[in-house]
Amino acid sequence: SQTIHQWPATLVQPVGSPLSLECTVEGTSNPNLYWYRQAAGRGLQLLFYSIGIDQISSEVPQNLSASRPQDRQFILSSKKLLLSDSGFYLCAWRGQGPEAFFGQGTRLTVV
Amino acid sequence: GQNIDQPTEMTATEGAIVQINCTYQTSGFNGLFWYQQHAGEAPTFLSYNVLDGLEEKGRFSSFLSRSKGYSYLLLKELQMKDSASYLCAVRVRGASKIIFGSGTRLSIRP
Repeated sequence: SQTIHQWPATLVQPVGSPLSLECTVEGTSNPNLYWYRQAAGRGLQLLFYSIGIDQISSEVPQNLSASRPQDRQFILSSKKLLLSDSGFYLCAWRGQGPEAFFGQGTRLTVV
Repeated sequence: GQNIDQPTEMTATEGAIVQINCTYQTSGFNGLFWYQQHAGEAPTFLSYNVLDGLEEKGRFSSFLSRSKGYSYLLLKELQMKDSASYLCAVRVRGASKIIFGSGTRLSIRP
């Protein structure tokens, strides 16, 4: 069966520090991968999606970047965090079926 | 561009029925999803509609009208555990994008 791992679960970072969030999927190959951000009490904002290694589409460029160094690994990064980067970051994967499945998320607080 | 609208909040009574509406305007529509999200947790998949009509799955049903750009999620025999946010999302054809609405926060009262 397929599983998705996302870590860390919570993170507190100072303004101006770098960020690296990692997501890996097991039990499937060539998945579509997604990064979403959710502000408190709001919907999911699509940040990046990827249909293959080194094939990444950006929806909200600005302060964040994403990389997919391996088929089942998706990394969200920032060189310098802003206060507005605080939120709940969710990684998701999609296989042959239409629906996407989410990891448990990372709650990021920038202080 | 894409636009997905759903009510921000709804309240319903335990044991009753509630309908959560979603309207969308997208280019290249390729299916509509409903997800449930409890506070502080990741969303979980509920339903997927790509053709017009009603899809029933236990206490939950989802309806789609592509010509009207309209969907609803129907929850029957409401239970307290159904208190959650319900997210409408659209998949865009020709791409792998899945765009979410802002979600409807449903509160169930005894």
